Amino acid sequence: GENVEQHPSTLSVQEGDSAVIKCTYSDSASNYFPWYKQELGKGPQLIIDIRSNVGEKKDQRIAVTLNKTAKHFSLHITETQPEDSAVYFCAASGYTGTASKLTFGTGTRLQVTL
Amino acid sequence: NAGVTQTPKFQVLKTGQSMTLQCAQDMNHNSMYWYRQDPGMGLRLIYYSASEGTTDKGEVPNGYNVSRLNKREFSLRLESAAPSQTSVYFCASSRVDSGANVLTFGAGSRLTVL
Repeated sequence: GENVEQHPSTLSVQEGDSAVIKCTYSDSASNYFPWYKQELGKGPQLIIDIRSNVGEKKDQRIAVTLNKTAKHFSLHITETQPEDSAVYFCAASGYTGTASKLTFGTGTRLQVTL
Repeated sequence: NAGVTQTPKFQVLKTGQSMTLQCAQDMNHNSMYWYRQDPGMGLRLIYYSASEGTTDKGEVPNGYNVSRLNKREFSLRLESAAPSQTSVYFCASSRVDSGANVLTFGAGSRLTVL
């Protein structure tokens, strides 16, 4: 089955700096790569996703890149703000046509300091 | 629009007791899921239901049962709770977007087994 590794497990940046979280996956058939943000006491929320037919996707201060050859994808957050502090999870799955069987990374705790 | 609603939010059980976690979604999604979240291990799939009337095992199904009561509701039952089942449980449902199943999570249910 799919195995997703995520690094680093913790990341501390100063407000205004950039943050990068990296993930690798094992199953070359995977073609959907979402990123979730989990704030304290809440459920994970989808913040951005990328499909295998594109190499990069941006949404305001957030961007995700995908390298299918190397089987890795990354989340980039620019101009970080205190409200970006949370746990971030990457995930991977193939298109199943029915239910998704997402495999998650182990999470990165991002702390944005003033 | 409530999204995915889980009850209860917190529960303490003694070893051997049984309980059911309830989940309901109001987004008319076909597929629903139960995940558990443990420190350092990300989210792991327990069971999922691709559509009303079907259920399938995920990565860690042992010790759990599920019921897809109707399209809206998907419950998770622990017949004889064990301390190893202490965890935070998340229910999710998914919509299909260009072939990918996009998940929406509930707020979670924190279960402690003594």
